[in-house]
Amino acid sequence: QKEVEQDPGPLSVPEGAIVSLNCTYSNSAFQYFMWYRQYSRKGPELLMYTYSSGNKEDGRFTAQVDKSSKYISLFIRDSQPSDSATYLCAMIRSGGNEKLTFGTGTRLTIIP
Amino acid sequence: NAGVMQNPRHLVRRRGQEARLRCSPMKGHSHVYWYRQLPEEGLKFMVYLQKENIIDESGMPKERFSAEFPKEGPSILRIQQVVRGDSAAYFCASSPPASLNTEAFFGQGTRLTVV
Repeated sequence: QKEVEQDPGPLSVPEGAIVSLNCTYSNSAFQYFMWYRQYSRKGPELLMYTYSSGNKEDGRFTAQVDKSSKYISLFIRDSQPSDSATYLCAMIRSGGNEKLTFGTGTRLTIIP
Repeated sequence: NAGVMQNPRHLVRRRGQEARLRCSPMKGHSHVYWYRQLPEEGLKFMVYLQKENIIDESGMPKERFSAEFPKEGPSILRIQQVVRGDSAAYFCASSPPASLNTEAFFGQGTRLTVV
């Protein structure tokens, strides 16, 4: 079993729709949860991170963490064609310098 | 402030040759991480280095792969006697000393193709 599971998609939604992206994980030691966006042939770009359980909002993006269910989500409101990319969840056990454990990524296409 | 610089962006090697991938971290960053991304897969951790030290190489294959981060110059990921299965995108990330890993920034990657 992978430590982090993520539905690879692809996921296609019309412009303006709300997008929900999810990951589950098995290691209860994870405490920091990140979402990266990766455009084709580019490096991952950090969108936002959340510490422990709770919600965090940044513009059109909202990250949710439910540690009791080992489940994290990223919501994108008012989706735009420029949001079309692969979204990767990642997590680490502590906030210090250590390796990130990634999900496989979900490929998202926003249809104009 | 330039971001994390990786070169070359694309590298083609024949089976059995050596591949050298370079990563220059952001200014002021002393921690470097290498990840490998196979097609349709997420990034897999390979190695974590600080200046002149390998901190965690638990993700590195035991043979043919090595990494270094010298006192001066870029970090180097070296793959000897490449095989077709080494074809992948290799990403480097860097972070400042004593930082949260949430502050790591990624380069654009080197795409290695073994023919």
